[in-house]
Amino acid sequence: QVQLVESGGGVVQPGRSLRLSCAAYGFTFSNYGMHWVRQAPGKGLEWVAIIWHDGNNKYYTDSVKGRFIISRDNSKNTLSLQMNSLRAEDTAVYYCARGLYQGVVTSYDYWGQGTLVTVSS
Amino acid sequence: QSVLTQPPSVSGAPGQRVTISCTESSSNVGATYGVHWYQQLPGTAPKLLIYDNSNRPSGVPDRFSGSKSGTSASLAITGLQPEDEADYYCQSYDSSLSGSVFGGGTKLTVL
Repeated sequence: QVQLVESGGGVVQPGRSLRLSCAAYGFTFSNYGMHWVRQAPGKGLEWVAIIWHDGNNKYYTDSVKGRFIISRDNSKNTLSLQMNSLRAEDTAVYYCARGLYQGVVTSYDYWGQGTLVTVSS
Repeated sequence: QSVLTQPPSVSGAPGQRVTISCTESSSNVGATYGVHWYQQLPGTAPKLLIYDNSNRPSGVPDRFSGSKSGTSASLAITGLQPEDEADYYCQSYDSSLSGSVFGGGTKLTVL
């Protein structure tokens, strides 16, 4: 069955970097666009980034542009999020999610369990 | 910029029907994008309930239904059960952002 497993979260100081990973199982990873969605403690959901199935297109929400980089390795069925220059407002549970359709106009049919990133000095 | 507005909370007794609204305030008037709904049980990841306004993924009970008219969408839950107590989010696409937007979420309490 489809499974997404995130890892890499933790506590990091403001201005530092962290890299999240998402391992995909149970489907042909290279056929699907993949997304990161985050949820600050006690808050709602916020879409962060998308990468196309072939890695050729990427989009980001404005607040992370220039700081976060989404990437994927289709040979290893792995999605990544490199987070640089972290800020306190980046503190959240980060979910990887599979796009039901290709591209940005889509819903998310499978989600990982999430990994918590805490940015604090 | 598109904003999806949901009521912060709704409630109902077991067996009753509740609806959750999702209203789009957008500069994209005239553009039509599907609205999707997610259920998030406490301490868990969101789960897709309804996609493209009114379609249920396999395994979602038919007690859950969605509709959309103009810039307003709704999620209806009939035969309310205690296990339906959760947060519910609507989601759509905003072309001005080139990305997804979520509503603020609605907490459903089963009395």
